[in-house]
Amino acid sequence: EAGVAQSPRYKIIEKRQSVAFWCNPISGHATLYWYQQILGQGPKLLIQFQNNGVVDDSQLPKDRFSAERLKGVDSTLKIQPAKLEDSAVYLCASSPVRAYGYTFGSGTRLTVV
Amino acid sequence: GIQVEQSPPDLILQEGANSTLRCNFSDSVNNLQWFHQNPWGQLINLFYIPSGTKQNGRLSATTVATERYSLLYISSSQTTDSGVYFCAAPQGQNFVFGPGTRLSVLP
Repeated sequence: EAGVAQSPRYKIIEKRQSVAFWCNPISGHATLYWYQQILGQGPKLLIQFQNNGVVDDSQLPKDRFSAERLKGVDSTLKIQPAKLEDSAVYLCASSPVRAYGYTFGSGTRLTVV
Repeated sequence: GIQVEQSPPDLILQEGANSTLRCNFSDSVNNLQWFHQNPWGQLINLFYIPSGTKQNGRLSATTVATERYSLLYISSSQTTDSGVYFCAAPQGQNFVFGPGTRLSVLP
């Protein structure tokens, strides 16, 4: 079974620029998560999708972050404009059912300078 | 929301030693997960353990839900066990991660 694919692997941008991350979950996994992991901390949930609907986006900074999951498969996470404190690893995970059987992607390491 | 604490924050072992990592959570839970994040950043699910004890090779985990803690045991540690170990407790329909225990196994 192919894993969760994420791209790009690394990204360096200047503050106030925009950036987008892409995630392709495991085939058939209905639930998709985006997590932010700041250096030295545990992952923090940004948004959870069930198929193409949002289940939980309570911790997503909606003034600058947006996410979509087209047709219930791939997902993109966008930051516009980026701030220095957005420097982190952005992890995508998927699961066949809610809150069980997580598989994480390798993540995208974002550095904002 | 639920609070998740882990101890110790850092642990250094000699290869072959055993260790116990602890996870405390603030509310009653109906499941708990343990993850390993390797030095390259990949997060791997180790255990899904709502209660009782599970074993997988040199690793085992025990959750005592009534007392709000879980333990991860690593026996005969190897250098490949190095990385950060996270526990995650449910909140709503997803999980809240603890701050992690960073394990370094020296050859």
